[in-house]
Amino acid sequence: DAGITQSPRHKVTETGTPVTLRCHQTENHRYMYWYRQDPGHGLRLIHYSYGVKDTDKGEVSDGYSVSRSKTEDFLLTLESATSSQTSVYFCAISEGNPTNEKLFFGSGTQLSVL
Amino acid sequence: GENVEQHPSTLSVQEGDSAVIKCTYSDSASNYFPWYKQELGKGPQLIIDIRSNVGEKKDQRIAVTLNKTAKHFSLHITETQPEDSAVYFCAASIDGYALNFGKGTSLLVT
Repeated sequence: DAGITQSPRHKVTETGTPVTLRCHQTENHRYMYWYRQDPGHGLRLIHYSYGVKDTDKGEVSDGYSVSRSKTEDFLLTLESATSSQTSVYFCAISEGNPTNEKLFFGSGTQLSVL
Repeated sequence: GENVEQHPSTLSVQEGDSAVIKCTYSDSASNYFPWYKQELGKGPQLIIDIRSNVGEKKDQRIAVTLNKTAKHFSLHITETQPEDSAVYFCAASIDGYALNFGKGTSLLVT
């Protein structure tokens, strides 16, 4: 999957606990994204980053925070997980070059909040 | 923000037939329209994309058409095969930043 590693691949946690998902890329791409995928909703953007320490909110950012301290790593944190955050989370990367906009996805993290 | 509508949500075709999936978008500034295929348990994979300065693009059995005036674009798959069975997503954005996705079409080829 285009040099993208998501960890963990599966996680079960309890309501109210903090959770951090990690995305690691080996492509040196500038842009990194976190999407969630839910039945009936498709893929919805949570947060994205356009460089180290440069992040912005997406469509469904409430309850999530992100950090990018290195080009290769983009972390998604659920400060206090809720059952509504049970979902499949996908990391994606792109060069961010308007002449090469292609977005590549990781394999996803299945998160269950009980 | 951009709103992308995708139809149909499910599509069943016989092997060898053609399949067409349609999407509409709301933001006239959108200029990049990719299509993704997602197989079970995997992340979405880009299969074809088109920019707003092009009306049609083909890649073997797959083609995408774009009507900027009507703000809609379509994916056409000819001579469908069982391995084409998957969920397909359309998306739209300005210059590829922060793609907005449709809700997906589950294609079954029997």
